[in-house]
Amino acid sequence: DTGVSQNPRHKITKRGQNVTFRCDPISEHNRLYWYRQTLGQGPEFLTYFQNEAQLEKSRLLSDRFSAERPKGSFSTLEIQRTEQGDSAMYLCASSFPGTGMGETQYFGPGTRLLVL
Amino acid sequence: GDSVTQMEGPVTLSEEAFLTINCTYTATGYPSLFWYVQYPGEGLQLLLKATKADDKGSNKGFEATYRKETTSFHLEKGSVQVSDSAVYFCALRSGGFQKLVFGTGTRLLVSP
Repeated sequence: DTGVSQNPRHKITKRGQNVTFRCDPISEHNRLYWYRQTLGQGPEFLTYFQNEAQLEKSRLLSDRFSAERPKGSFSTLEIQRTEQGDSAMYLCASSFPGTGMGETQYFGPGTRLLVL
Repeated sequence: GDSVTQMEGPVTLSEEAFLTINCTYTATGYPSLFWYVQYPGEGLQLLLKATKADDKGSNKGFEATYRKETTSFHLEKGSVQVSDSAVYFCALRSGGFQKLVFGTGTRLLVSP
């Protein structure tokens, strides 16, 4: 079990540029989540996939954000025309259904984005 | 909407002291409750969970009891160690949604 992996771990970009992050879930997990965490705050939910279907999406996810999970394996999160307010840690998590509301989400190490 | 309120940190303790980190919640229906921990330089890890009223979650000497009447899920440990220094997050899931709603986190600092 290699855990959830995320790449890159760090990204510095200039305002207005596009960035893309990748998440590889634990191999048998068919549920995948994206969260955003700013300094001193808890993670905030962005979106959720079951297999390749995007089933939940937060109002935090503006039109500049798009997430995909082709073939139900890895996922990408793209931010277009980045703004300084996008600077945050972007966390990915995955889970395997079957334990009801106690289902555990396993988190990756995150991608830290800094927009200059 | 659903929310989680945690006590502000940092909480500073000496080794072997008793720990309580308060967590209260607001949710529709009957949420599941979680404590996650984030050690320095590492990702979030599930510490313990409880899925119904009066359930007690426990792990690594930490415990929390789901109290529906007080809408609370306080984290406790009888004797903390320096290695317990981390940020602790209380979270819930409710309403048939898969998303977790987190509190702001409480930093624990344990000195020798």
